[in-house]
Amino acid sequence: GEDVEQSLFLSVREGDSSVINCTYTDSSSTYLYWYKQEPGAGLQLLTYIFSNMDMKQDQRLTVLLNKKDKHLSLRIADTQTGDSAIYFCADSSGNTGKLIFGQGTTLQVKP
Amino acid sequence: GAVVSQHPSRVICKSGTSVKIECRSLDFQATTMFWYRQFPKQSLMLMATSNEGSKATYEQGVEKDKFLINHASLTLSTLTVTSAHPEDSSFYICSAQKPTGGGEQYFGPGTRLTVT
Repeated sequence: GEDVEQSLFLSVREGDSSVINCTYTDSSSTYLYWYKQEPGAGLQLLTYIFSNMDMKQDQRLTVLLNKKDKHLSLRIADTQTGDSAIYFCADSSGNTGKLIFGQGTTLQVKP
Repeated sequence: GAVVSQHPSRVICKSGTSVKIECRSLDFQATTMFWYRQFPKQSLMLMATSNEGSKATYEQGVEKDKFLINHASLTLSTLTVTSAHPEDSSFYICSAQKPTGGGEQYFGPGTRLTVT
């Protein structure tokens, strides 16, 4: 079945850029999503990208999609301590609306 | 964005009792909602897809008689954990799918269920 993989942990200093990477296997993905989860909370949709796009920018967030390599990344510019959270990459599975989630990347931002 | 609420946020119940969790989309209508379960430090596991006006579709390994799902309106889906056992203790999260745009899902804040 489809699979989504992420690295588990990333540590950066406040003010630096963070890059969180994700790979997926589903060649029929239409949309790919990035969600943020803070402790004890639900998931917050950060951004999403249509599969025929290479890049999407939204304020401090930049999403890059390499469809050939099935690689997705989320870049957070000027990372702040409030960005510390778990970030999930998700792939929409076919036209069922189901999401396949990666394991989540814990972002630690040091002051 | 869009707002999805869940109620209750935390619930403690005794073994053998049933617990109902509500998921509401507050500012859009959702024909499709999803129920997930999340174990500590793990990703989300999809339990079922809830479709308004029809039966829910359960993922493999999820007992439909134990986890009853009702999607009676375009803004409300409920999950009832029947005859709860301690192993059902978990964080349950719902999402509602927006019918336009990228079909993105908006998540509720989650419900922490503890079965004693």
